[in-house]
Order: sequence, then structure tokens, then C-alpha cells
Amino acid sequence: QVQLVESGGGLVNPGGSLRLSCAASGFTFDNYYMSWIRQAPGKGLEWVSYISSGSSYTTYAASVRGRFTISRDNAKNSLYLQMNSLRADDTAVYYCARDFTGYYADYWGQGTLVTVSS
Amino acid sequence: QPVLTQSSSASASLGSSVKLTCTLSSGHRSYSVAWHQQQSGKAPRYLMKVEGSGSYNKGSGVPDRFSGSSSGTDRDLAISNLQFEDEADYYCETWDSNTRVFGGGTRLTVL
Repeated sequence: QVQLVESGGGLVNPGGSLRLSCAASGFTFDNYYMSWIRQAPGKGLEWVSYISSGSSYTTYAASVRGRFTISRDNAKNSLYLQMNSLRADDTAVYYCARDFTGYYADYWGQGTLVTVSS
Repeated sequence: QPVLTQSSSASASLGSSVKLTCTLSSGHRSYSVAWHQQQSGKAPRYLMKVEGSGSYNKGSGVPDRFSGSSSGTDRDLAISNLQFEDEADYYCETWDSNTRVFGGGTRLTVL
């Protein structure tokens, strides 16, 4: 069955950096677009970024563009999110998701919490 | 880019039926949406895609009690024979050329 397991979350100071990882299994990883979606405490879902199956195309929400970088390693069945210049409003649970053709999430990971605070 | 509007809350009795609505912004009436369910303290789960035609495609393991429909700019999620485990937040999602958008979510309470 499809499994997505995020890691790398934690407490970081404002202005700091963090790299999230997502290990995928149960499907042919290099056939699928992948996304990162976040949820601030007590708030709704916010799409962050997605990447095409072969990494040729990436796109970002305006709120993270220029600070976050999405990437993947198809040989390792892994998705990444490099987060730089972190701000307090980046505090959220970050979910890795498999995309249906880059249109919507059809499987979700369990999430990893990122807290930006001094 | 499209905007999705959802009521903040809804409630219905155990065993009854409920319809949750996700409304697309005008100018985006042909767009499809995906519905996701998030039970308290858990990750979201994909339920189904609802197209402008009214057809819908459910995810793996989604009970028959869940169905979708469409009318104009509304993309609906219907749940029949409500169970306590259906109490959750429900989000709709849509997509454009290089962006994705979520509605604000509807919190469903089963009485």
C-alpha cells in the first residue's frame, strides 16, 4: 500500500533553515508528481509546492517562493523540502502528498511539525 | 486564480444525511475539485474528485455512503447514514496552471 513518511521537522530559530524529507513506498515513485502541503496550528490546509515526476517542473506558493526549494531523488524514492529564512508564520505541520497528475493530493503522509520560534 | 468557499461548520444527526458544499469563484465554473477528510488529530485523507459534469471518482476504500455532485459553481460532497467517525473537517481543493488552492474547510459535527 502507499506509504509516505515525513521526517526532519523540529524547532528552529527565525531566519534559520531546515530540510524536510519524505520517504515513499508502495507505488512507482518516479511516475508521480509530489507535493508539500502545510497546516498551521488550528488552521486550514495550505498548498506549498509541487514537483513533476522527473523534476523538470517545480512551482511554489507566493508565501514561500524564493525561500523554499522542493526536490526529489527518484533513485531513493524520496522527496525533500529545503526551507530557508524561516519565519514564525511558517510554523505548521508539513505534509508530503502524492499527486494525481499534479492536480490534487490522492495520498497523504502523517506530517512533520516545524516550529519557528526563538 | 480560483477561490473556493466553504461554510465553516455543519451538523447532522447520527444516521441522517448531510451535503457539504464547495463553491468555486465565478469564472472558474468548469473546474473540478477534490474532497479531503481530516479527523481530529490525524492527517487528511483523499475522498474523491468531483467534476463540473457531476461525475465523481472516489479514492481507495471510501465507503459507498460518500458521493459527489455538481451544480453551477457548487461542488458537493454528500454523506448518507452518518456515523460518528464521519465527524471531521472536510476540505475541497482545486488546481490551476501552476497553483493549487484549498477551501477554508467545513467542520462537520455528528449529533
